[in-house]
Amino acid sequence: EVQLVESGGGLVKPGGSLRLSCAASGLTFSNAWMSWVRQAPGKGLEWVGRIKSESEGGTIDYAAAVKGRVTISRDDSRNILYLQMNSLKIEDTGVYYCTTWWVWGQGTLVTVSS
Amino acid sequence: SSELTQDPAVSVALGQTVRITCQGDSLRRYYASWYQQKPGQAPVLVIYEKNKRPSGIPDRFSGSNSGNTASLTITGAQAEDEADYYCHSRGSSGDPLVFGAGTKVTVL
Repeated sequence: EVQLVESGGGLVKPGGSLRLSCAASGLTFSNAWMSWVRQAPGKGLEWVGRIKSESEGGTIDYAAAVKGRVTISRDDSRNILYLQMNSLKIEDTGVYYCTTWWVWGQGTLVTVSS
Repeated sequence: SSELTQDPAVSVALGQTVRITCQGDSLRRYYASWYQQKPGQAPVLVIYEKNKRPSGIPDRFSGSNSGNTASLTITGAQAEDEADYYCHSRGSSGDPLVFGAGTKVTVL
C-alpha cells in the first residue's frame, strides 16, 4: 500500500521558517513526481510546487504565490520529500499535503501567527 | 482568481444525476483531473486523463471534455458523494498547475 506521511507543521511567527517532510512508502519513490498542495482554513486546494524524478531531470516548479520563499527537495535514498518555507506570511497558514496525485498524505497544519 | 472556473455549489436529489463543470483556456489542450474531498479528509482522485477512474472509484463517476470545459458527472448520486469537488489541470498563463476553486455538492 502506498503511503505518504507529512510532518513538521506547527506554529511559527510571521517571517519565520519551517521545514516540512513527507515520508513515502510502498512506491518506487525515485521514479515519482511529487507535489505539495496546501489548503487554507475553509478554502480550496492550492498547488504549491512540484519536483520531477531525477531520471527525468529533477525539474522543480513553484506557484507564483510562494516562489522565492520555498524550496522543494527530495532524498531518494530515504524516500523523503521536503518543503523548506522561509519568510512565512499569515496567508501561508493552512494544511500542507504531499501527493503523487494518485495518493495523498493526511496533511500537516502550518499556522503563521504572531 | 483561479484560471479554472467552477460553480461554487450544486445540489442533486438522491439517485439523480449531477454534472459539475470546470472552464479554462488550458482545457482546450490538456485533460482535467477531478478530486473529491470530504470534510476533514485529504482529497481523493476520482477521474484522471479526462475519463479514467482509479481503482476503487465507482463507475457512477465519469468525466468528459468539450472545448474549454471539463465535466464530472455523477450518475445516480449517493449520500456518500456529498463533498467538495476540485478540477485540476495545467495553467494557461500563470502557474504550471492549477486547481479550480471547488464545487460543493449537496445530495438532497
